[in-house]
Amino acid sequence: GNSVTQMEGPVTLSEEAFLTINCTYTATGYPSLFWYVQYPGEGLQLLLKATKADDKGSNKGFEATYRKETTSFHLEKGSVQVSDSAVYFCALTSQSSGDKLTFGTGTRLAVRP
Amino acid sequence: GAVVSQHPSWVICKSGTSVKIECRSLDFQATTMFWYRQFPKQSLMLMATSNEGSKATYEQGVEKDKFLINHASLTLSTLTVTSAHPEDSSFYICSARSPGGTNQPQHFGDGTRLSIL
Repeated sequence: GNSVTQMEGPVTLSEEAFLTINCTYTATGYPSLFWYVQYPGEGLQLLLKATKADDKGSNKGFEATYRKETTSFHLEKGSVQVSDSAVYFCALTSQSSGDKLTFGTGTRLAVRP
Repeated sequence: GAVVSQHPSWVICKSGTSVKIECRSLDFQATTMFWYRQFPKQSLMLMATSNEGSKATYEQGVEKDKFLINHASLTLSTLTVTSAHPEDSSFYICSARSPGGTNQPQHFGDGTRLSIL
């Protein structure tokens, strides 16, 4: 079956630091990959996505590249802000799983001023 | 703006009460919606897949008589927690997949925090 593994949190950074949150996956076929962000007390928001190998998803300064050879989709941002403090979820969907999203456990990011 | 609206955002009620949560797709038609449950500081657990015009598909271990799902139109799915008890207290989140195939993202509601006294 499909699975997603994320780095354990929490991750604590100072403002303007570089962010990497690792995500690796196991899936049959050719999955689509997503990063979602959850701010305190809210639902999930789609941050970015990539649907095929070597695609790069980007949004709000965040980037992630679909690496089929390493089955990874690491999230990066060059300079984090306090407002980026949230929980980040890596997820995938594939035809073999129907419409179901498979989530990682989430990584909590705290950015200090 | 938000493409999926979930209501209510917060419910506090007495044990034994039934609670209905609504999930609406605002600017697209969703033949499939999903209901999740999230415990504090944990990931989302898929409870069921809601299919317009047919019965919901429940994940293993989820009581279908406890969590009633109705998907009567292409823009509305409801989850009713019947005879709720304190152990049902949780954060419930719905989502709807954008049209166009399984590579399209799911859009999530803002969630409903349910507290059973």
